[in-house]
Amino acid sequence: GENVEQHPSTLSVQEGDSAVIKCTYSDSASNYFPWYKQELGKGPQLIIDIRSNVGEKKDQRIAVTLNKTAKHFSLHITETQPEDSAVYFCAALSGRDDKIIFGKGTRLHILP
Amino acid sequence: KAGVTQTPRYLIKTRGQQVTLSCSPISGHRSVSWYQQTPGQGLQFLFEYFSETQRNKGNFPGRFSGRQFSNSRSEMNVSTLELGDSALYLCASSGGASVSETQYFGPGTRLLVL
Repeated sequence: GENVEQHPSTLSVQEGDSAVIKCTYSDSASNYFPWYKQELGKGPQLIIDIRSNVGEKKDQRIAVTLNKTAKHFSLHITETQPEDSAVYFCAALSGRDDKIIFGKGTRLHILP
Repeated sequence: KAGVTQTPRYLIKTRGQQVTLSCSPISGHRSVSWYQQTPGQGLQFLFEYFSETQRNKGNFPGRFSGRQFSNSRSEMNVSTLELGDSALYLCASSGGASVSETQYFGPGTRLLVL
């Protein structure tokens, strides 16, 4: 079945530096790739998404890139701030069965 | 607009019991999906309902079931609870007919099975 691999599982960066989280997917028919942020005690919140007809999307300090040939996509957070500390999940919508498959998550720590 | 609400927020049950969790989607949303979140397996899809019909189902045993009412509120039921069912159960709602529409998650129900 569809599989989404996410790396790293934990990431620590200095405040103000950039953070990059990478994901790969197995289903070449996947066409929708959302990213979620989950803070302690809360449900995941969509922060950005990208569809297969574009290669990059940016929203202020957050950007996502998609390489369909290599079947990988990445989240870039620039000028990190303390409130960016959270668990981030990538996901892919399987083109075969219309299910959203999540990566295992990355715990991001922003160091003061 | 109020967000997705889930009740109860916390629940403790013992093995063999059954449990019913409730999810109220954002007003106007017709699609509700359920997920199980555990430290080991991450977020796993349980099922999705749209207009009272189960549209999709994940790879969970038949002990896990759900339903959706005409007002789009949804419930999920787990029968004959096992220790491994301890998890955070999340529901998400979306307004469109496809799961590629933005999904809005509730805070979850944390279930502990003893």
